[in-house]
Amino acid sequence: EAGVAQSPRYKIIEKRQSVAFWCNPISGHATLYWYQQILGQGPKLLIQFQNNGVVDDSQLPKDRFSAERLKGVDSTLKIQPAKLEDSAVYLCASGATTYNEQFFGPGTRLTVL
Amino acid sequence: GEDVEQSLFLSVREGDSSVINCTYTDSSSTYLYWYKQEPGAGLQLLTYIFSNMDMKQDQRLTVLLNKKDKHLSLRIADTQTGDSAIYFCAETYNNDMRFGAGTRLTVKP
Repeated sequence: EAGVAQSPRYKIIEKRQSVAFWCNPISGHATLYWYQQILGQGPKLLIQFQNNGVVDDSQLPKDRFSAERLKGVDSTLKIQPAKLEDSAVYLCASGATTYNEQFFGPGTRLTVL
Repeated sequence: GEDVEQSLFLSVREGDSSVINCTYTDSSSTYLYWYKQEPGAGLQLLTYIFSNMDMKQDQRLTVLLNKKDKHLSLRIADTQTGDSAIYFCAETYNNDMRFGAGTRLTVKP
């Protein structure tokens, strides 16, 4: 079974630029999550999708972050414009089981200069 | 407290047991989890425990849950150098998953 795929693995941009991350969840998983993991901290949930609908985006900084999950499969997370404090690893996870197990992708490491 | 709390570092010798502790926040959390993160990789679910259990054993891993104190621990028996990683405790919280900051386990040969 293929795991959660994310791209790119690394991205370096300057502040005020835009960036987009892509996630392909495990086939058949209805739930998809985006997390932000700042160095030395645990992952923090940004947004949760159930199929192509948003379940929870209360922690998403909506003035600069946006996410979509068209057709209930792949998802993109965008930051526009980026700030220095957005430097982090952005993790995508998908899940389908009754005990809420989430399968994580390898993450995209973003550095904002 | 408002955060899932873990000690940041643990160092053990190969072959010893490791015990990683966690204090979670919500006494109504249904499931509690332990994830492992190796350098440059995403999080891997190691084990989970349902809130009506007080212990779960899975090969070298033993999870203990004290609901009264909201305390969760992970014991790794016969710790190997390949166990070196960051271990995250997590709880389900309002249908979200809330993570601790992680405990960096270093295993010395």
